[in-house]
Amino acid sequence: DQQVKQNSPSLSVQEGRISILNCDYTNSMFDYFLWYKKYPAEGPTFLISISSIKDKNEDGRFTVFLNKSAKHLSLHIVPSQPGDSAVYFCAASSSTGGGNKLTFGTGTQLKVEL
Amino acid sequence: ETGVTQSPTHLIKTRGQQVTLRCSSQSGHNTVSWYQQALGQGPQFIFQYYREEENGRGNFPPRFSGLQFPNYSSELNVNALELDDSALYLCASSFGPGQGNAFFGQGTRLTVV
Repeated sequence: DQQVKQNSPSLSVQEGRISILNCDYTNSMFDYFLWYKKYPAEGPTFLISISSIKDKNEDGRFTVFLNKSAKHLSLHIVPSQPGDSAVYFCAASSSTGGGNKLTFGTGTQLKVEL
Repeated sequence: ETGVTQSPTHLIKTRGQQVTLRCSSQSGHNTVSWYQQALGQGPQFIFQYYREEENGRGNFPPRFSGLQFPNYSSELNVNALELDDSALYLCASSFGPGQGNAFFGQGTRLTVV
């Protein structure tokens, strides 16, 4: 049972344009959401997070939007840069779940082209 | 400030053998979580250790076990290795077991033949 889903395995965007990565979840108990970026041969690197009490969080070029009623979140990267090319994972956790257990999606491979 | 380090980086084992993977948590962090990432999948939570006690476990059999030491470093042990155990094993450290940002090591690539 995939509780966090990233339905787009890959996304290609031109440099300077906006990248939008999507994530859906099914577990209503999730109340904290994170995005990680992963380069080959490296561990995931934390990018940005959002609590369920907010609907938007912004950090530089990265903005995460949360739509609780739709159980959907998205990561916007603007402007996209070639160095943003990586696999992006959406993750979720529950404050009632005990421990900092993160449930990950399957990832979206972003390619930013010149 | 040192980051999360894992050893070894690569490992090849034979089916039925046992393996121990190691993780040093980031300075100041007292919580370590282990994840298994199979090819083409997202990381899956194995278990978490907080102040040397297991603090949550995912859907993995008992042959996956762990330890956390007084310096908060951690080990993941897998007994009776199966071919499906071949994966990238990731360690993440954080300050406290609650919600928050976990910082990952580079992982150990385990291949079972």
